Amino acid sequence: AQSVTQLDSHVSVSEGTPVLLRCNYSSSYSPSLFWYVQHPNKGLQLLLKYTSAATLVKGINGFEAEFKKSETSFHLTKPSAHMSDAAEYFCVVRGTTDSWGKFQFGAGTQVVVTP
Amino acid sequence: DGGITQSPKYLFRKEGQNVTLSCEQNLNHDAMYWYRQDPGQGLRLIYYSQIVNDFQKGDIAEGYSVSREKKESFPLTVTSAQKNPTAFYLCASSIWTGGDGANVLTFGAGSRLTVL
Repeated sequence: AQSVTQLDSHVSVSEGTPVLLRCNYSSSYSPSLFWYVQHPNKGLQLLLKYTSAATLVKGINGFEAEFKKSETSFHLTKPSAHMSDAAEYFCVVRGTTDSWGKFQFGAGTQVVVTP
Repeated sequence: DGGITQSPKYLFRKEGQNVTLSCEQNLNHDAMYWYRQDPGQGLRLIYYSQIVNDFQKGDIAEGYSVSREKKESFPLTVTSAQKNPTAFYLCASSIWTGGDGANVLTFGAGSRLTVL
């Protein structure tokens, strides 16, 4: 079965400094991985996805993530945080074979951005 | 604009009452999903449906029911059997293909249910 673990439940950064959100995955097959962002009381928005093409994936709003098979990781980064980046972020893995359409979510990382 | 519409946005229920949350999509997606969100627990899958008139239980289906009579609609009923229904409920949809790349989830804005 596929699963993801987000290593930090809360991350606090200063505006203009880099952001790093860590995600490790477990999958028997080459996984499809995603990062979503959720602002308070809103639905989730796709930031980026990895589907076995380039290992460095660029997403919206300046975010990018690197797929590292040897480390089973898919960490999300942004060079310079903006106040609008304050939100909750979810790492997601998609199922394979008989669970193709099922997605497993990490517990989420709450990002706080201070001026 | 294509998207997913959930209603109502906020809902209050007395204990012992059933309530139905609406989810409508105009994306022509095959698959639809219901998730429950509680603080610190991520999203947990309640039910999902790949095609009309067919649906499968997710990880926490007890106390919930769904129907899929139309491709566009996937309503969720929270029954009185659900022990702790206060939560944020999210509906999502996706293309259902065996190929790579296209199968991503698109979410609605959510419905917040509070049991009084």
